[in-house]
Amino acid sequence: DAGVTQSPTHLIKTRGQQVTLRCSPKSGHDTVSWYQQALGQGPQFIFQYYEEEERQRGNFPDRFSGHQFPNYSSELNVNALLLGDSALYLCASSEGQGRGYTFGSGTRLTVV
Amino acid sequence: RKEVEQDPGPFNVPEGATVAFNCTYSNSASQSFFWYRQDCRKEPKLLMSVYSSGNEDGRFTAQLNRASQYISLLIRDSKLSDSATYLCVVNIVGFKTIFGAGTRLFVKA
Repeated sequence: DAGVTQSPTHLIKTRGQQVTLRCSPKSGHDTVSWYQQALGQGPQFIFQYYEEEERQRGNFPDRFSGHQFPNYSSELNVNALLLGDSALYLCASSEGQGRGYTFGSGTRLTVV
Repeated sequence: RKEVEQDPGPFNVPEGATVAFNCTYSNSASQSFFWYRQDCRKEPKLLMSVYSSGNEDGRFTAQLNRASQYISLLIRDSKLSDSATYLCVVNIVGFKTIFGAGTRLFVKA
């Protein structure tokens, strides 16, 4: 039973570029959340998707957008990358809301 | 004020010690609570849920005080393998999940 898979594992981008990160949730999970984790900090909530809709959003600018597909997989898009966007991006899935998450191993994004 | 606050530590304890982590949350609409463990450069992993009645899983005990908006995690008989960052997590009505910044624990031989 595969857990949460994320791709790519590592990525280097230049300021101003756009990036797309991908996530496949754990089998049986229908809810996907995205988090940004800077070094030494806890994960910061970006947004959550359920039934292909964004249900809640954290304090992130509109440069951060996402999508959920009918098979529950999800993408995180970041436009006009800034140096400060360099972080570990974590995808977490769950079966509905209010339950513990299973995290993927993350995508480490470096913006230069 | 942060929505979820934890003592960042680090906590340096010898093997066999008992260590307690505290966490406070500010949003009274918080519904469910968890402790996660995160090893260096790894993803967070669910350690345990936290219930109002308190719950125990082996050497780990979690407590919740809704009136004080306070959560705790107690680790008894610490092992070297317990060294990690412990994250307090709160689910708020409206599908929002907030993580604390984490408390680092180092268990020494």
